[in-house]
Amino acid sequence: NAGVTQTPKFRILKIGQSMTLQCTQDMNHNYMYWYRQDPGMGLKLIYYSVGAGITDKGEVPNGYNVSRSTTEDFPLRLELAAPSQTSVYFCASSYLVGRQYTGELFFGEGSRLTVL
Amino acid sequence: QKEVEQNSGPLSVPEGAIASLNCTYSDRGSQSFFWYRQYSGKSPELIMSIYSNGDKEDGRFTAQLNKASQYVSLLIRDSQPSDSATYLCAVRTGKLIFGQGTTLQVKP
Repeated sequence: NAGVTQTPKFRILKIGQSMTLQCTQDMNHNYMYWYRQDPGMGLKLIYYSVGAGITDKGEVPNGYNVSRSTTEDFPLRLELAAPSQTSVYFCASSYLVGRQYTGELFFGEGSRLTVL
Repeated sequence: QKEVEQNSGPLSVPEGAIASLNCTYSDRGSQSFFWYRQYSGKSPELIMSIYSNGDKEDGRFTAQLNKASQYVSLLIRDSQPSDSATYLCAVRTGKLIFGQGTTLQVKP
Protein backbone atom coordinates (compact mmCIF):
# COMPACT_ATOMS: atom_id res chain seq x y z
CA ASN A 1 0.00 0.00 0.00
CA ALA A 2 1.40 3.39 -1.00
CA GLY A 3 -0.41 5.48 1.68
CA VAL A 4 0.73 9.11 1.48
CA THR A 5 3.35 9.85 -1.16
CA GLN A 6 5.32 13.09 -1.27
CA THR A 7 7.67 14.31 -3.98
CA PRO A 8 10.38 15.44 -4.17
CA LYS A 9 12.18 14.10 -1.08
CA PHE A 10 14.94 16.72 -1.32
CA ARG A 11 15.17 20.05 -3.11
CA ILE A 12 17.46 23.05 -3.08
CA LEU A 13 15.98 26.35 -4.23
CA LYS A 14 17.44 29.76 -4.80
CA ILE A 15 15.80 32.78 -3.19
CA GLY A 16 12.85 33.94 -5.27
CA GLN A 17 12.32 30.65 -7.11
CA SER A 18 8.99 28.88 -7.10
CA MET A 19 8.15 25.22 -6.70
CA THR A 20 5.37 22.79 -5.90
CA LEU A 21 5.55 19.99 -3.39
CA GLN A 22 3.33 17.15 -4.52
CA CYS A 23 1.24 15.00 -2.18
CA THR A 24 -0.98 12.07 -3.12
CA GLN A 25 -2.89 9.64 -0.92
CA ASP A 26 -4.62 6.46 -2.03
CA MET A 27 -6.68 5.80 1.13
CA ASN A 28 -9.70 7.91 0.10
CA HIS A 29 -9.21 10.13 3.16
CA ASN A 30 -11.23 13.32 3.33
CA TYR A 31 -8.78 15.37 5.36
CA MET A 32 -5.33 16.37 4.16
CA TYR A 33 -2.71 18.59 5.76
CA TRP A 34 0.61 20.25 5.17
CA TYR A 35 2.96 20.73 8.12
CA ARG A 36 6.45 22.11 8.33
CA GLN A 37 9.01 21.06 10.91
CA ASP A 38 12.03 23.20 11.69
CA PRO A 39 15.05 21.58 13.40
CA GLY A 40 14.31 20.60 17.01
CA MET A 41 10.77 21.85 16.75
CA GLY A 42 7.31 20.39 16.50
CA LEU A 43 5.00 20.47 13.52
CA LYS A 44 3.42 23.72 12.40
CA LEU A 45 0.23 23.51 10.34
CA ILE A 46 0.47 25.41 7.05
CA TYR A 47 -2.80 24.56 5.31
CA TYR A 48 -5.41 21.87 5.54
CA SER A 49 -8.35 20.59 3.51
CA VAL A 50 -11.53 18.82 4.59
CA GLY A 51 -12.37 17.67 1.08
CA ALA A 52 -12.03 18.39 -2.62
CA GLY A 53 -12.50 22.08 -3.34
CA ILE A 54 -12.17 23.15 0.31
CA THR A 55 -8.98 24.49 1.88
CA ASP A 56 -8.21 26.58 4.94
CA LYS A 57 -5.25 28.29 6.57
CA GLY A 58 -3.35 26.81 9.44
CA GLU A 59 -0.88 28.41 11.85
CA VAL A 60 1.77 29.54 9.34
CA PRO A 61 0.20 30.00 5.85
CA ASN A 62 2.15 33.06 4.66
CA GLY A 63 4.27 32.37 1.58
CA TYR A 64 2.36 29.24 0.61
CA ASN A 65 -0.67 28.30 -1.46
CA VAL A 66 -2.61 25.07 -1.84
CA SER A 67 -5.35 23.58 -3.98
CA ARG A 68 -7.48 20.46 -3.65
CA SER A 69 -9.08 19.58 -6.97
CA THR A 70 -9.36 15.86 -6.19
CA THR A 71 -9.65 13.73 -3.06
CA GLU A 72 -6.23 12.20 -3.75
CA ASP A 73 -4.02 15.23 -4.39
CA PHE A 74 -3.05 18.19 -2.22
CA PRO A 75 -0.09 20.12 -3.70
CA LEU A 76 1.70 22.89 -1.78
CA ARG A 77 3.01 25.84 -3.78
CA LEU A 78 5.87 28.13 -2.75
CA GLU A 79 5.75 31.22 -4.95
CA LEU A 80 8.82 33.23 -3.91
CA ALA A 81 11.15 31.05 -1.90
CA ALA A 82 12.82 32.65 1.12
CA PRO A 83 15.51 31.26 3.48
CA SER A 84 12.87 31.20 6.26
CA GLN A 85 11.10 28.46 4.29
CA THR A 86 14.02 26.07 4.73
CA SER A 87 12.40 23.19 6.57
CA VAL A 88 11.10 19.64 6.35
CA TYR A 89 7.58 19.51 4.96
CA PHE A 90 5.16 16.73 5.83
CA CYS A 91 1.92 15.96 4.08
CA ALA A 92 -0.64 13.96 6.04
CA SER A 93 -4.16 12.65 5.70
CA SER A 94 -6.86 11.47 8.08
CA TYR A 95 -10.30 9.94 7.90
CA LEU A 96 -13.76 10.30 9.38
CA VAL A 97 -15.43 7.94 11.81
CA GLY A 98 -19.08 8.86 11.69
CA ARG A 99 -19.01 12.65 11.46
CA GLN A 100 -15.80 13.13 13.44
CA TYR A 101 -12.31 12.81 12.11
CA THR A 102 -10.15 10.67 14.33
CA GLY A 103 -7.04 12.81 14.62
CA GLU A 104 -4.93 9.87 13.55
CA LEU A 105 -2.71 11.29 10.85
CA PHE A 106 -1.02 9.21 8.19
CA PHE A 107 2.17 10.97 7.20
CA GLY A 108 4.24 10.98 4.07
CA GLU A 109 8.00 10.53 4.37
CA GLY A 110 8.69 14.25 4.25
CA SER A 111 10.31 16.66 1.80
CA ARG A 112 13.49 18.42 2.87
CA LEU A 113 13.66 21.88 1.32
CA THR A 114 16.65 24.20 1.48
CA VAL A 115 16.47 27.78 0.24
CA LEU A 116 19.82 29.46 -0.42
CA GLN B 1 0.97 31.53 25.47
CA LYS B 2 1.59 28.61 23.15
CA GLU B 3 -1.43 26.47 22.39
CA VAL B 4 0.37 23.21 23.21
CA GLU B 5 3.48 23.18 25.38
CA GLN B 6 6.01 20.49 26.08
CA ASN B 7 9.41 20.48 27.75
CA SER B 8 11.85 19.96 24.88
CA GLY B 9 14.23 17.90 27.04
CA PRO B 10 16.21 15.84 26.51
CA LEU B 11 14.73 13.54 29.11
CA SER B 12 17.22 10.83 29.97
CA VAL B 13 16.19 7.64 31.78
CA PRO B 14 17.96 4.31 32.37
CA GLU B 15 16.74 1.20 30.63
CA GLY B 16 13.88 -0.40 32.55
CA ALA B 17 12.78 2.84 34.23
CA ILE B 18 9.50 4.73 33.79
CA ALA B 19 9.65 7.71 31.45
CA SER B 20 7.12 10.47 32.12
CA LEU B 21 6.33 12.97 29.36
CA ASN B 22 4.11 15.97 29.98
CA CYS B 23 2.03 18.35 27.88
CA THR B 24 -0.20 21.32 28.69
CA TYR B 25 -2.69 23.03 26.40
CA SER B 26 -4.43 26.38 26.45
CA ASP B 27 -7.84 25.80 24.83
CA ARG B 28 -10.37 24.47 27.36
CA GLY B 29 -12.60 23.40 24.47
CA SER B 30 -10.05 20.87 23.23
CA GLN B 31 -11.66 17.55 22.55
CA SER B 32 -9.05 14.99 21.57
CA PHE B 33 -5.47 14.37 22.57
CA PHE B 34 -2.75 12.37 20.91
CA TRP B 35 0.82 11.24 21.39
CA TYR B 36 3.01 10.73 18.35
CA ARG B 37 6.49 9.23 18.30
CA GLN B 38 9.08 10.47 15.81
CA TYR B 39 12.41 8.78 15.25
CA SER B 40 15.22 10.95 13.93
CA GLY B 41 14.81 11.61 10.22
CA LYS B 42 11.44 9.85 10.07
CA SER B 43 7.83 10.94 9.99
CA PRO B 44 5.66 10.91 13.14
CA GLU B 45 3.54 7.87 14.01
CA LEU B 46 0.55 7.73 16.33
CA ILE B 47 1.08 5.74 19.53
CA MET B 48 -1.79 6.83 21.80
CA SER B 49 -5.05 8.74 21.69
CA ILE B 50 -7.20 9.78 24.64
CA TYR B 51 -10.55 11.55 24.68
CA SER B 52 -11.84 11.50 28.30
CA ASN B 53 -10.40 12.20 31.74
CA GLY B 54 -8.41 9.45 33.36
CA ASP B 55 -5.92 6.86 32.21
CA LYS B 56 -5.71 4.81 29.05
CA GLU B 57 -3.27 1.93 28.87
CA ASP B 58 -1.85 0.19 25.82
CA GLY B 59 0.97 -2.23 26.52
CA ARG B 60 3.86 -0.32 28.10
CA PHE B 61 2.24 3.03 27.34
CA THR B 62 -0.26 4.89 29.53
CA ALA B 63 -1.83 8.19 28.55
CA GLN B 64 -3.31 10.37 31.29
CA LEU B 65 -5.72 13.25 30.75
CA ASN B 66 -6.86 15.92 33.20
CA LYS B 67 -9.09 18.43 31.42
CA ALA B 68 -9.59 20.58 34.53
CA SER B 69 -5.82 21.15 34.73
CA GLN B 70 -5.46 21.16 30.91
CA TYR B 71 -2.78 18.54 31.19
CA VAL B 72 -2.02 15.34 29.33
CA SER B 73 0.86 12.97 29.98
CA LEU B 74 2.43 9.82 28.60
CA LEU B 75 4.08 7.20 30.78
CA ILE B 76 6.37 4.60 29.27
CA ARG B 77 7.03 1.66 31.58
CA ASP B 78 10.08 -0.58 31.30
CA SER B 79 11.74 1.90 28.93
CA GLN B 80 13.87 0.38 26.19
CA PRO B 81 16.65 1.94 24.10
CA SER B 82 14.30 1.55 21.11
CA ASP B 83 11.97 4.06 22.82
CA SER B 84 14.58 6.77 22.28
CA ALA B 85 12.79 9.27 20.04
CA THR B 86 10.97 12.59 20.10
CA TYR B 87 7.44 12.42 21.49
CA LEU B 88 4.96 14.94 20.14
CA CYS B 89 1.79 15.89 21.96
CA ALA B 90 -1.08 16.90 19.67
CA VAL B 91 -4.38 18.49 20.64
CA ARG B 92 -7.46 18.84 18.48
CA THR B 93 -9.20 22.19 18.79
CA GLY B 94 -10.81 22.17 15.38
CA LYS B 95 -7.36 21.87 13.85
CA LEU B 96 -4.74 19.45 15.14
CA ILE B 97 -2.00 21.45 16.87
CA PHE B 98 1.33 19.91 17.87
CA GLY B 99 3.66 20.77 20.70
CA GLN B 100 7.38 21.16 20.06
CA GLY B 101 8.13 17.62 21.23
CA THR B 102 10.16 16.07 24.05
CA THR B 103 13.30 14.13 23.19
CA LEU B 104 13.61 10.93 25.21
CA GLN B 105 16.93 9.14 25.61
CA VAL B 106 16.89 5.67 27.15
CA LYS B 107 20.38 4.62 28.22
CA PRO B 108 21.32 0.91 28.35
